[in-house]
Amino acid sequence: AQSVAQPEDQVNVAEGNPLTVKCTYSVSGNPYLFWYVQYPNRGLQFLLKYITGDNLVKGSYGFEAEFNKSQTSFHLKKPSALVSDSALYFCAVRDGTGGFKTIFGAGTRLFVKA
Amino acid sequence: ETGVTQTPRHLVMGMTNKKSLKCEQHLGHNAMYWYKQSAKKPLELMFVYSLEERVENNSVPSRFSPECPNSSHLFLHLHTLQPEDSALYLCASSHPGAHEQYFGPGTRLTVT
Repeated sequence: AQSVAQPEDQVNVAEGNPLTVKCTYSVSGNPYLFWYVQYPNRGLQFLLKYITGDNLVKGSYGFEAEFNKSQTSFHLKKPSALVSDSALYFCAVRDGTGGFKTIFGAGTRLFVKA
Repeated sequence: ETGVTQTPRHLVMGMTNKKSLKCEQHLGHNAMYWYKQSAKKPLELMFVYSLEERVENNSVPSRFSPECPNSSHLFLHLHTLQPEDSALYLCASSHPGAHEQYFGPGTRLTVT
């Protein structure tokens, strides 16, 4: 069965500092991994994905994530946080063998302080 | 603006009412999804349609009835709901082979 864990309910970081939002997953077969962001009163917005290839993937707004197969992790990172990055972040996984079912984590709230 | 619109944005209904949520995508995608988002819980996949055929039905109570008349439109028909059905209902779409989903802004449903 597929599952996603985001171990931190909230991450606090000062503006200008690097940020990391953690995600670990479990899936049979090759994983398709995603990060989404949700701002207040909005739907989820796609940030980046890992399907195959380079373990470091770059996405929107300066975010990147590193796929680590041995640790079954896909942590989201940004070198320098902005106050406007404050939002709810979701990690998601889909089994790469086919099908449409995507499992989402519970979300991590990122708070960037000025 | 993601190219996925949902109406209404807010809905208050009694337990005996019948209402429908509408989703429309202008992205040329051929898969559409309904999700339920409740506070403090992960997103719950409810239904998936691919090429207008239902391919996922995630043990959703029969008081929720989806309809996909074409690849651009998706409905969620609601009847005899319970207060615990109050949540944000999100619609999403995806393109074959691209895997990521594009979400609408959601309908905030309150059942009284």
